[in-house]
Amino acid sequence: GQNIDQPTEMTATEGAIVQINCTYQTSGFNGLFWYQQHAGEAPTFLSYNVLDGLEEKGRFSSFLSRSKGYSYLLLKELQMKDSASYLCAVRDSNYQLIWGAGTKLIIKP
Amino acid sequence: DTAVSQTPKYLVTQMGNDKSIKCEQNLGHDTMYWYKQDSKKFLKIMFSYNNKELIINETVPNRFSPKSPDKAHLNLHINSLELGDSAVYFCASSRYFDDSGNTIYFGEGSWLTVV
Repeated sequence: GQNIDQPTEMTATEGAIVQINCTYQTSGFNGLFWYQQHAGEAPTFLSYNVLDGLEEKGRFSSFLSRSKGYSYLLLKELQMKDSASYLCAVRDSNYQLIWGAGTKLIIKP
Repeated sequence: DTAVSQTPKYLVTQMGNDKSIKCEQNLGHDTMYWYKQDSKKFLKIMFSYNNKELIINETVPNRFSPKSPDKAHLNLHINSLELGDSAVYFCASSRYFDDSGNTIYFGEGSWLTVV
């Protein structure tokens, strides 16, 4: 079966750095996405990786290793507004998105 | 301007009722989706339409019937509502279906509570 694993919850301090990991086992691979979802809101797109390596976008970076079935989302200079759930999703060989359950990130002052 | 809009945002209804959720996108996208997010926060695809044609129909009770009158609209009708149907239903769209880098844009969600 297809599976996306990510930690259920993480806590970090304002101004710090946090890394949210995602491992996946899917039928084929056509890219990996990270979405942010604030409580009571819709998921919004953060990043996309299809090749190995690091993609940087401001305070957020996303890394992919296809051989290891592994990705992480790195958030720097954490702000209180970064408190949200972060969803990892992989597009499989049929172009369907397989979603993880999300990691709830709690930022403390 | 809202890119993907769905109505209603909140819906409380009794078991056995029939209800509809409407969705519209003004992004000019070819593909639209219905997702269900349960209390455990898993996003599960229910249906996907590409240019008004059904392309994904996951294992969903046939009480759920999507309808796409044109590629900008995808409505969801639910018959004989059950307690287990309580969830958040997200409509979404993407430019294409079979493109690796396809970003999916979500509507604000419809919070359905069946009592």
